Amino acid sequence: NAGVTQTPKFRILKIGQSMTLQCTQDMNHNYMYWYRQDPGMGLKLIYYSVGAGITDKGEVPNGYNVSRSTTEDFPLRLELAAPSQTSVYFCASSTGYNSPLHFGNGTRLTVT
Amino acid sequence: AQKVTQAQTEISVVEKEDVTLDCVYETRDTTYYLFWYKQPPSGELVFLIRRNSFDEQNEISGRYSWNFQKSTSSFNFTITASQVVDSAVYFCALIDLTGRRALTFGSGTRLQVQP
Repeated sequence: NAGVTQTPKFRILKIGQSMTLQCTQDMNHNYMYWYRQDPGMGLKLIYYSVGAGITDKGEVPNGYNVSRSTTEDFPLRLELAAPSQTSVYFCASSTGYNSPLHFGNGTRLTVT
Repeated sequence: AQKVTQAQTEISVVEKEDVTLDCVYETRDTTYYLFWYKQPPSGELVFLIRRNSFDEQNEISGRYSWNFQKSTSSFNFTITASQVVDSAVYFCALIDLTGRRALTFGSGTRLQVQP
């Protein structure tokens, strides 16, 4: 099993550009999450989804959008990139809200 | 609202020393779950343990042990006879039944084990 796959691994964006971070999982998990990790900090929740067609905001949703059209995929869209969005982004999935998270390997994004 | 505090930003020990990583949590719920994750220098996040609020038994797994105390809202993690491979950032996390159905993470403790 591939688990949770994130692409790309690295990306440099210019201020004002947009991009989509891809996340897919092959474990048939209903719950999926996007977290960001700033240097020396913990993980902050951006958006999450409890099933296909259902998404909800996390702690730091501004500047981001998500969709969940299938169980497998949970892309994160950055519109009008800003330097404050420079971070490492982790996608994760789980079988339930209280189950351990399976994390992808992360996407390191730099906005200059 | 759920909150997790890891007051120790960085700890440095010499190999074979025991080390305890502190985790203090806040929740208004009586049902909640606590987790520990490890992030080695390679960057991936690895699940270590989950504990629910109704199970106050301490857990031991090899050199790792966890002390859950509801009276002090703490879920501390001890590594016995530390090894260089234990060098990582360790995160404590919490989820309860109110609010968002997603983990709230502490800011992490960076453990450096010197040979």
